[in-house]
Amino acid sequence: QKEVEQDPGPLSVPEGAIVSLNCTYSNSAFQYFMWYRQYSRKGPELLMYTYSSGNKEDGRFTAQVDKSSKYISLFIRDSQPSDSATYLCAMNSLEGGYSGAGSYQLTFGKGTKLSVIP
Amino acid sequence: DVKVTQSSRYLVKRTGEKVFLECVQDMDHENMFWYRQDPGLGLRLIYFSYDVKMKEKGDIPEGYSVSREKKERFSLILESASTNQTSMYLCASSYFSLPAETQYFGPGTRLLVL
Repeated sequence: QKEVEQDPGPLSVPEGAIVSLNCTYSNSAFQYFMWYRQYSRKGPELLMYTYSSGNKEDGRFTAQVDKSSKYISLFIRDSQPSDSATYLCAMNSLEGGYSGAGSYQLTFGKGTKLSVIP
Repeated sequence: DVKVTQSSRYLVKRTGEKVFLECVQDMDHENMFWYRQDPGLGLRLIYFSYDVKMKEKGDIPEGYSVSREKKERFSLILESASTNQTSMYLCASSYFSLPAETQYFGPGTRLLVL
């Protein structure tokens, strides 16, 4: 079983729709959860990060973590064509403590490709 | 703003050539990483470094080596390039502190090995 599962899509929605992107994971030690956005032929850019369970909102974006279900989500409200990109989830367990070499690594999902149609 | 730069956006090399990919960050980050990204396989960690002259193998280090002589610079070396190393190479850096060592990526280098 892979540590992080993410539906690759592609996901195609009309402009203005609410988009829901999801990842499931198996390692209960994961505590930090991130979403990256990657435009075509560019490097990923950090969109949001959350710690432990709960919601975090930033403009049209909401990140949600449900540790009991090992499930994280990214919601995009009023989606725009400029949101068309691949979205990658990432997580970190800090196993070994802050000084452990493993604490620096992130485990990534494979990404979901989103297209927002005008 | 964090800035991670990579020496080339596109590279074309021949099989057997020695290839150097350079990455520089300007935020005094302790940690630096090299990934490759391939369709259907996602991001895979090749090597990372948490301090000058320190390096750790990632998930797929075979065929690669790295060098970190200065804090801001992390180099990936393909000793003898092969066609299966054709890929998008991404460098990232992060602080050694909370929050969660969130990583900042460079624009990537698309390497084609013929």
